[in-house]
Amino acid sequence: QMQLHESGPGLVRPSETLSLTCTVSGDPISTSSYFWGWVRQPPGGGLEWIGNAYYTGSTNFNPSLKSRVSISVDTSKNQFALNVSSVTAADTAVYYCVRQGRTLLRGTFDNWGLGTLVTVSS
Amino acid sequence: EIVLTQSPGTLSLSPGERATLSCGASQSISSGYLAWYQQKPGQSPRLLIYGVSSRAAGIPDRFSGSGSGTDFTLTISRLEPEDFAVYYCQVFGSSLWTFGQGTKLDIK
Repeated sequence: QMQLHESGPGLVRPSETLSLTCTVSGDPISTSSYFWGWVRQPPGGGLEWIGNAYYTGSTNFNPSLKSRVSISVDTSKNQFALNVSSVTAADTAVYYCVRQGRTLLRGTFDNWGLGTLVTVSS
Repeated sequence: EIVLTQSPGTLSLSPGERATLSCGASQSISSGYLAWYQQKPGQSPRLLIYGVSSRAAGIPDRFSGSGSGTDFTLTISRLEPEDFAVYYCQVFGSSLWTFGQGTKLDIK
């Protein structure tokens, strides 16, 4: 059973960089079948796709966040990571790491981590 | 970029009733990459329907998806108590993934 698990600080100061890591277990991240991505959900709000990465390192991003976001993949650790720079209170959200279909279940988010709440506050 | 608009914002029904949730797209989704998710309080979203009408693994057959072009529907034929949740539609196209704003299905 494939699982994703988010880790990282729960509190980030305004203007600093939010950094999260997702550890994948039960499946190799170096597969042609999937992208590895991030989705966030502000308190009481809806879902927003942030971006994703393929195991080769190629990436796709939400245009509204593209200037502040990077996603990297570490196949040796079976992990991928998210960085969001210059954060403000508007970046406060539950951050989910997700598996996104590339050839299998193309276009979908078929597996989700439990999510981690990141609060931006001084 | 395709914008998805879900309606109604909140739907109040009773167990055993039929639920019809709508998702409208700002442009035609010719690729067929339209999915639906269920999210219960305190939980991660769960994939229900992909490719407009295919049920994901383990999803009961009371859930069905339909539609084409710009209008899509998620139907729950007979509501069970565990079906009361928030539902999101989602589209993929041109290397962009977008969610609707959600419909809350609550108990009347």
